[in-house]
Amino acid sequence: GIQVEQSPPDLILQEGANSTLRCNFSDSVNNLQWFHQNPWGQLINLFYIPSGTKQNGRLSATTVATERYSLLYISSSQTTDSGVYFCAVPETGTASKLTFGTGTRLQVTL
Amino acid sequence: SQTIHQWPATLVQPVGSPLSLECTVEGTSNPNLYWYRQAAGRGLQLLFYSVGIGQISSEVPQNLSASRPQDRQFILSSKKLLLSDSGFYLCAWSVAVGVDTGELFFGEGSRLTVL
Repeated sequence: GIQVEQSPPDLILQEGANSTLRCNFSDSVNNLQWFHQNPWGQLINLFYIPSGTKQNGRLSATTVATERYSLLYISSSQTTDSGVYFCAVPETGTASKLTFGTGTRLQVTL
Repeated sequence: SQTIHQWPATLVQPVGSPLSLECTVEGTSNPNLYWYRQAAGRGLQLLFYSVGIGQISSEVPQNLSASRPQDRQFILSSKKLLLSDSGFYLCAWSVAVGVDTGELFFGEGSRLTVL
């Protein structure tokens, strides 16, 4: 099946700093999603981004499908950004299920 | 708008007892439905998915089972829980469009502790 790797695995930032999270995948995909899991476990949709760049407030994402990676940018980080960030891509050969990366755990400190 | 609910939110069960987690989706028709588990640590493991009523695909061998008795209802069950079944269970839905899986949306999760 498709392999999805995220980096870095852990990240500690001071409030106000910027960061870039990376998601690499091993096969061509027709969509990609980014999620934020908050400390209470809730998974929140951030971006549905098969290609190109999207922005939502302080967050933006870029997917370069031809090179099999996606980047999530967090600017001016806040403590509420803490949690785990996942990317997910469709499993090869099926339109029915997604494979998740192992996540990046972000901690934003004061 | 579409919503997804799953319950119970928290469950503490003895080893060997049965399990039933329920998930319902509102505001959409014929969704793909999924059960994921998140054990200690951060990974999400796909347990079951369903593309229609009565159609269940199992991803990993285990003592859990899933059923889809109605279009927007997905149930995760076990006859006898094991300690290793402890974890955070998440239901999710999407609407596939052709070869595209569609955007995936998660419920609030059910935290299961088996003692």
